[in-house]
Amino acid sequence: DVKVTQSSRYLVKRTGEKVFLECVQDMDHENMFWYRQDPGLGLRLIYFSYDVKMKEKGDIPEGYSVSREKKERFSLILESASTNQTSMYLCASSLWSLAGSDEQYFGPGTRLTVT
Amino acid sequence: TQLLEQSPQFLSIQEGENLTVYCNSSSVFSSLQWYRQEPGEGPVLLVTVVTGGEVKKLKRLTFQFGDARKDSSLHITAAQPGDTGLYLCAGAKAGGTSYGKLTFGQGTILTVHP
Repeated sequence: DVKVTQSSRYLVKRTGEKVFLECVQDMDHENMFWYRQDPGLGLRLIYFSYDVKMKEKGDIPEGYSVSREKKERFSLILESASTNQTSMYLCASSLWSLAGSDEQYFGPGTRLTVT
Repeated sequence: TQLLEQSPQFLSIQEGENLTVYCNSSSVFSSLQWYRQEPGEGPVLLVTVVTGGEVKKLKRLTFQFGDARKDSSLHITAAQPGDTGLYLCAGAKAGGTSYGKLTFGQGTILTVHP
């Protein structure tokens, strides 16, 4: 059974703090993704990684960075948290395939509030 | 950025009614996925449609991929309160550099009242 876990379900941080969100998957998936989810906007891709130490910007990378030192772990970093980064953050993983249609498996999400 | 327009954004219906959710784009996708998300959880895949014109059924849910692979629909027959949730469509592009990226629609919040 595929499992994607995220380090926290709820997080409250102050403006300007550095924030780390951790994601771990146990299915040896090559691809890992970080999204933020806001009402009416669906899921927006922040960053993704297709291999260890490899990362690519998604649609909204500004204010974020990522780290993938091990295949199973993908971290999202908010260098200096701001109130407009208050959101639900979802991590996902998938196998790599040429068809590009593989299912993404999601973690339960981290609801981050920046005050 | 490719866009997937999903409609309606909200649906509030009575148990037993039928409904359809639409997902439209000007881009061609190699496949279209539908996910369902419940409160406090991440999205879970319901179905993937790959061939233009394809129809897939999952109990009372019917999924269709448009002939041109630019649009898709989800039809629920005789909705039940257990169908309540957020429904998301997501398009995938083929190719080695796609890395499995998906473009998501805005989502449809469905509420089925007993």
